[in-house]
Amino acid sequence: AQKITQTQPGMFVQEKEAVTLDCTYDTSDQSYGLFWYKQPSSGEMIFLIYQGSYDEQNATEGRYSLNFQKARKSANLVISASQLGDSAMYFCAIVGAAGNKLTFGGGTRVLVKP
Amino acid sequence: GAGVSQTPSNKVTEKGKYVELRCDPISGHTALYWYRQSLGQGPEFLIYFQGTGAADDSGLPNDRFFAVRPEGSVSTLKIQRTERGDSAVYLCASSRAAENTQYFGPGTRLTVL
Repeated sequence: AQKITQTQPGMFVQEKEAVTLDCTYDTSDQSYGLFWYKQPSSGEMIFLIYQGSYDEQNATEGRYSLNFQKARKSANLVISASQLGDSAMYFCAIVGAAGNKLTFGGGTRVLVKP
Repeated sequence: GAGVSQTPSNKVTEKGKYVELRCDPISGHTALYWYRQSLGQGPEFLIYFQGTGAADDSGLPNDRFFAVRPEGSVSTLKIQRTERGDSAVYLCASSRAAENTQYFGPGTRLTVL
């Protein structure tokens, strides 16, 4: 079984600043994948970034980077140069070795202030 | 290309009624997933299809919930004798294969009165 913990229910960030969203995970699988999704008020889950458990380098996608610390079982998302459009819920998720179902955390709401 | 589509976007029904929710995955995606998201929570897994067969239905809460994917493309989630606790957003996702990134549809908001 997999578990995701997101301890920050909500955060404010100033426009153009960076923000780090925390995510810790628990799994007994040796092979797993970590995902971050963004959910704006419209409700759609938007894929942001993926990190495989065997990837040695931290994943990056544009302004998004994943700070993967395997020994600490953490997979924090860093959003650089925040924009007003980044205001949304952000979910961390894990998929185990079976490679099918995602297990999500409770999410972190980010509000970017102008 | 077109993303995952779901219909209807909203469904209001009365307790005890039967509902069907439809999901049309991204073309060529063989894996399809259903999740349920209650207010203020992350999505929870319901069922996963690989092709036409349900490879994992361990997340279905009880036997009132059933899903099909008869031709390996469109899927329908069926809920019998709806209860107020079934009210949630039902999300569908698809991926090229089971181990690939899942792409989500806009969801169906179900309200049971």
